Amino acid sequence: EPEVTQTPSHQVTQMGQEVILRCVPISNHLYFYWYRQILGQKVEFLVSFYNNEISEKSEIFDDQFSVERPDGSNFTLKIRSTKLEDSAMYFCASSPQRGLNTDTQYFGPGTRLTVL
Amino acid sequence: AQKVTQAQTEISVVEKEDVTLDCVYETRDTTYYLFWYKQPPSGELVFLIRRNSFDEQNEISGRYSWNFQKSTSSFNFTITASQVVDSAVYFCALSEANTGFQKLVFGTGTRLLVSP
Repeated sequence: EPEVTQTPSHQVTQMGQEVILRCVPISNHLYFYWYRQILGQKVEFLVSFYNNEISEKSEIFDDQFSVERPDGSNFTLKIRSTKLEDSAMYFCASSPQRGLNTDTQYFGPGTRLTVL
Repeated sequence: AQKVTQAQTEISVVEKEDVTLDCVYETRDTTYYLFWYKQPPSGELVFLIRRNSFDEQNEISGRYSWNFQKSTSSFNFTITASQVVDSAVYFCALSEANTGFQKLVFGTGTRLLVSP
């Protein structure tokens, strides 16, 4: 069964460093998302991406964040200058298409980001 | 405003007991989806079910059943004859047509502990 994959599973970085989290969505999916989950808290939406542009973003997704689909398979989240409060589990998700009866987001296993 | 409330923070049961996880949602939209996701100790988010706002039929899948009631804005999840493998955090989530179904709003989750 196809699944969303994410690398690395765990990333440790120093405050102020740039990190890139990578995701490979399910191959025939058209919509891509990033969410984050601070330890012990709920999952929060960051951004959605369709047709090579951001279609929706939350207030969390400020200028420090960017997303890219550099090729036909990868989808990346870049944090330009990490802060301690960026420490969280970051989930990538993808969904096949919009529509009342078909839209479901499938999540990857997550990347745990630790900022020291 | 969209909001999902899972009032039960943690539930402990003994194997073979039935357990119901509550979810109450708020939305001004008439067209929306409701979801349940499971997060086992390994951390990934596993899709369980999607329901659209026009379909109030209850659903049963094996030991799992879902009760959607628009009159009380609730989408409750029942596990029958619980097993140790059901131990996880369960999240209820909502997406709305007015955001193009592009973001999931999650509840805070209910941690279910099933002991042998």
